[in-house]
Order: sequence, then C-alpha cells, then structure tokens
Amino acid sequence: QVQLVQSGSELKKPGASVKVSCKASGYTFYAINWVRQAPGQGLEWMGWINTNTGNPTYAQGFTGRFVFSFDTSVSTAYLQISSLKAEDTAVYYCARGYNGDYYFDYWGQGTLVTVSS
Amino acid sequence: EIVLTQSPGTLSLSPGERATLSCRASQSVSRTYLAWYQQKPGQAPRLLIYGASSRATGIPDRFSGSGSGTDFTLNISRLEPEDFAVYYCQQYGSSPRTFGQGTKVEIK
Repeated sequence: QVQLVQSGSELKKPGASVKVSCKASGYTFYAINWVRQAPGQGLEWMGWINTNTGNPTYAQGFTGRFVFSFDTSVSTAYLQISSLKAEDTAVYYCARGYNGDYYFDYWGQGTLVTVSS
Repeated sequence: EIVLTQSPGTLSLSPGERATLSCRASQSVSRTYLAWYQQKPGQAPRLLIYGASSRATGIPDRFSGSGSGTDFTLNISRLEPEDFAVYYCQQYGSSPRTFGQGTKVEIK
C-alpha cells in the first residue's frame, strides 16, 4: 500500500536550518508536494517536486529559504528550510500529488518544526 | 491567485443530521478542479472528493460533492460520530494551488 513516512519533530533555534524527510513506498511515484500548517491554522501549499526529473516548483512565499529535493536511491523526498524564523513553526506535510500537483491523495503523518530560542 | 472562502466557519450539528458546507472561489475554477479534505485533530488531511464530485477510494457514499464555476458544496447526508472534524476545499485549476480556511463540523 502507498505510504509516506516522515521524520520526527524538530526543535530549532532561529537562524538554524532543518531538513525534513518523507520516505515513499508502495507505488510508482511521480510527484511529492509539501503543505504547511501553522499552529491552529489552515493548510498552505508550498510547492512540489517531480521525482523523475528532480525539478522543483515553489509557491510564492516559499522561494529562497526553502529547498525541495529527492533521493531516488532511498525513495525519499526532503524539505530543507534555512535561516529559520519563529513564523516557520508549523507542521509540514508531504503528500503525493495526482498528476503532479493536482489533488493530494496520500499524505505523510506530518512533521512538527518548532523554532524557538 | 484564487481565494477560496468556506462557510460557515463552524457548523454545530447532531449525529444523524445532514451537513452542508460551502466553498466559494474568487474566480472560476477551471474544469471543476476542486477537492475536499477532512482533517481530525493531530492527523493529516484525508482526501474525500476530487473533481468537485468524485469520491476518493474508500470514502463512504454519505459524502457527496457538487458545484462548478465559483460555487461548490460538500454534503454529508447523515453525520456519523467519526465525521466531526475540519473540512477544507482546495482548487487545482490554477497555480498556486490554494485551500479554503476550513469549516469545523462540531457536535451540537
């Protein structure tokens, strides 16, 4: 069955970096999307990566400090955030996108990233 | 960017009642490219509906979606205890993909 398993919670200081992983299994995948959910807030699409070509697409507001990558040897997608700010505190989800970035039919369990001094 | 506005913000109903959730887009969503998700506390969202009206795999038939253009609706015919959650709509007709702010369905 399709599974996306994410890495565990992270506590980081402002200015540090974090790398969240998302291991995919159970299907021939094409796209991994990333979605952010700040505490008590709604869902925000960050962008996606084509796992065949490695080409990332970033939504506005997620350029510069955010990097999507994919390691085919271990079927794992990564979200790296640099120069962390308090407002980056959120749960980050990876999700399989139908036809790339259409709708999201399988989700990881989420990774809480807390940025605090 | 297409802004999705969901209403009401909170819906207070009893088990067995019908729930009607609205999602209105700031501009027309092309080809009814609209999805609905359910999210329970501490869990990832779950896809319910795509293409405005197609149920995702394993979704009970008490969930139904309808609409086109700028107005979409999610109906839950008879609320079960496990249906009390937050529901989000999402459009994928244009980029960036956007979500509504959510409707919470709570037990009355």
